[in-house]
Amino acid sequence: SQKIEQNSEALNIQEGKTATLTCNYTNYSPAYLQWYRQDPGRGPVFLLLIRENEKEKRKERLKVTFDTTLKQSLFHITASQPADSATYLCALESDRGSTLGRLYFGRGTQLTVWP
Amino acid sequence: DARVTQTPRHKVTEMGQEVTMRCQPILGHNTVFWYRQTMMQGLELLAYFRNRAPLDDSGMPKDRFSAEMPDATLATLKIQPSEPRDSAVYFCASGHHGNTEAFFGQGTRLTVV
Repeated sequence: SQKIEQNSEALNIQEGKTATLTCNYTNYSPAYLQWYRQDPGRGPVFLLLIRENEKEKRKERLKVTFDTTLKQSLFHITASQPADSATYLCALESDRGSTLGRLYFGRGTQLTVWP
Repeated sequence: DARVTQTPRHKVTEMGQEVTMRCQPILGHNTVFWYRQTMMQGLELLAYFRNRAPLDDSGMPKDRFSAEMPDATLATLKIQPSEPRDSAVYFCASGHHGNTEAFFGQGTRLTVV
């Protein structure tokens, strides 16, 4: 069955540093991978999507990479700020050939950025 | 601004009672997901609808859970009878087939005592 692992449950870094979160998957060949942010008491909010034929995607201070050989995505937040503190979830769709098919989520990494 | 609306936000019920959670997807969205989130399991996909038709509900315990879309503006998730192990936050998300982003509601926090 499909399995999605995010590198650690918690990551603590100092403001201004780059946070790097990892998402590994097995038994999948997703056409795309997404990253979401979740704040306490709220639903996840979409951040970025990267397709299987893209190596890297950027949005402001966010960067995502996707290595289909390693079955891994890395999510980077550069110049991190305390406001970036949240749980970050990766999600893979399992229905190749269909946009917005079933989305399966990792358990998330809780990021804390301290001043 | 457009958002997915879930009701109730919180529900405390006794074991054995029926629970109904409601979701209003964003107008125009034709894809609806139901997820359950717990500390142990994370976000689990329970059901998935497109154009009101259930495409996959394999994540739901069929003996007690049911999901429906009576119309395009309402999705429901029902648990009957509820059990303490059903305590979790239940999220509804919607999107439009052809786009790839799912929009989540605020969730319903269910506690079964």
